[in-house]
Amino acid sequence: AQSVTQLDSQVPVFEEAPVELRCNYSSSVSVYLFWYVQYPNQGLQLLLKYLSGSTLVKGINGFEAEFNKSQTSFHLRKPSVHISDTAEYFCAVSSGAGGTSYGKLTFGQGTILTVHP
Amino acid sequence: DAMVIQNPRYQVTQFGKPVTLSCSQTLNHNVMYWYQQKSSQAPKLLFHYYDKDFNNEADTPDNFQSRRPNTSFCFLDIRSPGLGDAAMYLCATSFRPLPTDTQYFGPGTRLTVL
Repeated sequence: AQSVTQLDSQVPVFEEAPVELRCNYSSSVSVYLFWYVQYPNQGLQLLLKYLSGSTLVKGINGFEAEFNKSQTSFHLRKPSVHISDTAEYFCAVSSGAGGTSYGKLTFGQGTILTVHP
Repeated sequence: DAMVIQNPRYQVTQFGKPVTLSCSQTLNHNVMYWYQQKSSQAPKLLFHYYDKDFNNEADTPDNFQSRRPNTSFCFLDIRSPGLGDAAMYLCATSFRPLPTDTQYFGPGTRLTVL
C-alpha cells in the first residue's frame, strides 16, 4: 500500500519570499512522485514529477522538488513566490506494483499556499 | 488545444435521483479515470478504463457506475445519490495505464445533493 502525507495544511507567505511545501510518502515498492497544483474552480495541473535519475526535479512556474529516498520525502520549493502562486498543491505517488495499482495516483491531503502582498 | 472537458461544471440533484456526469477528451488517450474529491480532502480514485476494460477500485460503492462508449467519452453514473456523495468529481486521462505516465485532469464537476 502507498500513502502520502503533506505536513502542512496551510502555508501563508509574503510575496517574493521563498517557500517549501513538505511531502512524505510511504510505499513498499519503487515509487514515482508528482506535484499537482489546483487553482480555484479548476482541475489539477502537473507541476513536476520524479521518475528516476537526478533527485532534483525542475517544473513549471519556477518550482522545483527534491526526491530524498532515505527520508522518503519529496518537498516542493520555490525561491521567490508571486501572488499568482496562491493555490492548493497536492503531492501524489504512484507505484510500480502490478494489477489495478498501475496508474493509480494516491494523493496527499493538499497544502493551501496563500501569498500575501 | 488538446484537453479534458467535463460537463456540467456544476450539477445539483436531489437525494436518490440518478445523475450522470460527462467527460470528454481530445488527447486520444487510452486511459480515463474518475476521481472523487470531497471538501478539504485528497482526490480518491473511483475507477478507470483502459480502452474498453473497466477497472473498479475495491472500495468504490456499487452506487457508482461508469460507461465508456468510445475513446473520447466517459460517463460517471450515480444511481441513487446520497448526501455523502456531494463532492467534486474529477476526470483524468493518460496515454498508458502506467505509474510513470502523467495524468491530465479536467476542471471537475461539483455535485450538490439536496
